[in-house]
Amino acid sequence: AQSVTQLDSQVPVFEEAPVELRCNYSSSVSVYLFWYVQYPNQGLQLLLKYLSGSTLVESINGFEAEFNKSQTSFHLRKPSVHISDTAEYFCAVSEVGGFQKLVFGTGTRLLVSP
Amino acid sequence: GAVVSQHPSRVICKSGTSVKIECRSLDFQATTMFWYRQFPKKSLMLMATSNEGSKATYEQGVEKDKFLINHASLTLSTLTVTSAHPEDSSFYICSARTPGQTHNEQFFGPGTRLTVL
Repeated sequence: AQSVTQLDSQVPVFEEAPVELRCNYSSSVSVYLFWYVQYPNQGLQLLLKYLSGSTLVESINGFEAEFNKSQTSFHLRKPSVHISDTAEYFCAVSEVGGFQKLVFGTGTRLLVSP
Repeated sequence: GAVVSQHPSRVICKSGTSVKIECRSLDFQATTMFWYRQFPKKSLMLMATSNEGSKATYEQGVEKDKFLINHASLTLSTLTVTSAHPEDSSFYICSARTPGQTHNEQFFGPGTRLTVL
């Protein structure tokens, strides 16, 4: 079984500052890794994913995440945040091989203020 | 592509009534859909996996007679909350996998806010 830990329930930052949202996972098998974003009263949208290959993955809106197998981490970063990045961010994992369910972390609320 | 819709987006009902929530894949056929429940400031809890043409698979602790799931076609799954009570008030989200996928990325609907009075 897998588990996901997002230690920070809330991260307040000022606009244009860098941010890192932490995600650690536990699994005895290889995993796929995902970051989803949820805006208020909306469903989840995929932000980026790691399946294989390069350990650094990027999204179209400036976020990036790096898969670190030795540290079992998949932290999300952005060098300069915007007010519009304010949202809930969920890290999720899924076993490689077969259609296993997604296991979500508890989420981190990113609050960007001017 | 890979758009999932849900209807209704909000519903308010009286205690004891049943509520049906629809989840549709708009531009693809989804053999598998998932139903999640999200409590305020909490993560998503998988309730059940809905397979087209067969019975849904419920997660431990989820009452299948309470939360009826029907996946009658490749583009539609429904969740019916039977005899709803205030503790059933929550945000319900569905998701779907696209066919031929080799990993487990899911596309999520916008969610349905259920309030039981």
